[in-house]
Amino acid sequence: KAGVTQTPRYLIKTRGQQVTLSCSPISGHRSVSWYQQTPGQGLQFLFEYFSETQRNKGNFPGRFSGRQFSNSRSEMNVSTLELGDSALYLCATRGDGTEAFFGQGTRLTVV
Amino acid sequence: GQQLNQSPQSMFIQEGEDVSMNCTSSSIFNTWLWYKQEPGEGPVLLIALYKAGELTSNGRLTAQFGITRKDSFLNISASIPSDVGIYFCAGQRGSNYQLIWGAGTKLIIKP
Repeated sequence: KAGVTQTPRYLIKTRGQQVTLSCSPISGHRSVSWYQQTPGQGLQFLFEYFSETQRNKGNFPGRFSGRQFSNSRSEMNVSTLELGDSALYLCATRGDGTEAFFGQGTRLTVV
Repeated sequence: GQQLNQSPQSMFIQEGEDVSMNCTSSSIFNTWLWYKQEPGEGPVLLIALYKAGELTSNGRLTAQFGITRKDSFLNISASIPSDVGIYFCAGQRGSNYQLIWGAGTKLIIKP
């Protein structure tokens, strides 16, 4: 079955702009989590959505937001972009089990 | 946010050597997961562990769920060049669905 799909793969934005990233989960997976990964850093948890509701949230400012649709696809939005937001953004989806399956990520560069 | 204590942070090894890394926590976990991430890609699940004392292999990789449920180990035998990457551990506690992540172990193979 198809894996986790993230779009776009690469994105260049200017400071102050806003951006929306998309994640389509594996069929049947209702949990979608988002992570930020900066060079040499680990996975910083942003938030998790389950059945269209935010279930967990990390320690990121309110400029980072997300939502989940009835088909479990999720979007992440970052408003008023800063240079420090440049990172690889990963989404991971889960079914009934604990195992998370990741997409290839969206590489965001803020200039 | 919360993180597991993963060590070592990085490893420089010769091809053919065995590798060992671990994750520890002061809290008890019900599930341990091990992932590998290659540059520019999302992490890929290697091994999942569900029971204290469980020992599971995946080819040259072997992982163990610690008896105390507070730690887990990953061993790679006879390393080869394609083993390079960052290895992450993740754990889940009790009824809290959020996965807790280690900071990663970067594996580098000396030419």
